[in-house]
Amino acid sequence: EAGVAQSPRYKIIEKRQSVAFWCNPISGHATLYWYQQILGQGPKLLIQFQNNGVVDDSQLPKDRFSAERLKGVDSTLKIQPAKLEDSAVYLCASIIGQTQYFGPGTRLLVL
Amino acid sequence: RKEVEQDPGPFNVPEGATVAFNCTYSNSASQSFFWYRQDCRKEPKLLMSVYSSGNEDGRFTAQLNRASQYISLLIRDSKLSDSATYLCVVNSLSGSARQLTFGSGTQLTVLP
Repeated sequence: EAGVAQSPRYKIIEKRQSVAFWCNPISGHATLYWYQQILGQGPKLLIQFQNNGVVDDSQLPKDRFSAERLKGVDSTLKIQPAKLEDSAVYLCASIIGQTQYFGPGTRLLVL
Repeated sequence: RKEVEQDPGPFNVPEGATVAFNCTYSNSASQSFFWYRQDCRKEPKLLMSVYSSGNEDGRFTAQLNRASQYISLLIRDSKLSDSATYLCVVNSLSGSARQLTFGSGTQLTVLP
């Protein structure tokens, strides 16, 4: 069974630029999560989708971050404009039962 | 106070040693609990769930104390391949959504 796919794996941008990340969850998994993991910390939830609807985006910095999952399958996370403190790994996960399966992440460096 | 707190370590132990990690959580309404393992520059992966009665999976034993809001993970006869960061994870209801909250992780290095 294919796992959670994410792209790109790495991205380097300058502050104030825009960036987008893509995630394709495991087939059939209705719930999709985006996490931000800063070095030395655990993953922090940004947004949770159930099919194409947002379930929880309370920790998403909405002034600069946005996410969508228009067809209830793959999802994109965008940052516009990026700040230095956005440097982190952005992890996508989907869930079956109570087990979350994570993608390999996108490592973002903002200069 | 952080929702999920762990000793960050690092724990450096020799092969064959027994090592224990502790975790506390602040939300008394939390419903389920897990340990995830994260290797360097890799994504987290589920290691084991944690049940009130305690549970064991080979060399790994997890315990939960709901009254003290405390979770532990014990690794016996540690192997070099156990070197990783261990994340304590708590599942709570946030509004109508189930939400996993991760601790910052405890780093383990098993030395030859």
